[in-house]
Amino acid sequence: GAVVSQHPSRVICKSGTSVKIECRSLDFQATTMFWYRQFPKKSLMLMATSNEGSKATYEQGVEKDKFLINHASLTLSTLTVTSAHPEDSSFYICSASGLAGGPGSHEQYFGPGTRLTVT
Amino acid sequence: RKEVEQDPGPFNVPEGATVAFNCTYSNSASQSFFWYRQDCRKEPKLLMSVYSSGNEDGRFTAQLNRASQYISLLIRDSKLSDSATYLCAVIPYSSASKIIFGSGTRLSIRP
Repeated sequence: GAVVSQHPSRVICKSGTSVKIECRSLDFQATTMFWYRQFPKKSLMLMATSNEGSKATYEQGVEKDKFLINHASLTLSTLTVTSAHPEDSSFYICSASGLAGGPGSHEQYFGPGTRLTVT
Repeated sequence: RKEVEQDPGPFNVPEGATVAFNCTYSNSASQSFFWYRQDCRKEPKLLMSVYSSGNEDGRFTAQLNRASQYISLLIRDSKLSDSATYLCAVIPYSSASKIIFGSGTRLSIRP
């Protein structure tokens, strides 16, 4: 149980284009989804917290107009990197938190990540 | 001061050795604590939650020291497959679900 998928796993795009990444909880309802970014040999940096049906909460320094997050259902959240630039190249990972770990559980289950390369 | 701090390592130990990592957290009201394992270019995977009474899962033992505000992970009889980066994670009291991760400790087990 507690499986989270991400799509695509890898994407290469040209500078200036937009890229959408999907995060799905496959076997549980995710009341909250999180989006992280990880640069090589660095830690996970939380970008935003997404609750189903409401606006995402962005961390300090993360541009909400550049990283659009939509959490339309209890099993799907999307991250769109708009007008991507080479410095946006990174490993983007989502995680989901919900009832998978039991009521009140705060355990997060991670998707396999999306490696974005902007040329 | 960072909210969650770890020694980045790398720790390089022989197979069969016992190795321990610590992780300190700054918010004394933090509620939940976890250890995750991350392999190179992969997503983190939950290794174990850390309970106040401490907990053990096979060769892995996690401890919480609230007075000194740190959690620890002990790996006994280390295997080559234990080589990975170990991330500690903390849920601060101020947030019901946001997890703050440490920067990770790299462990390398040599034959």
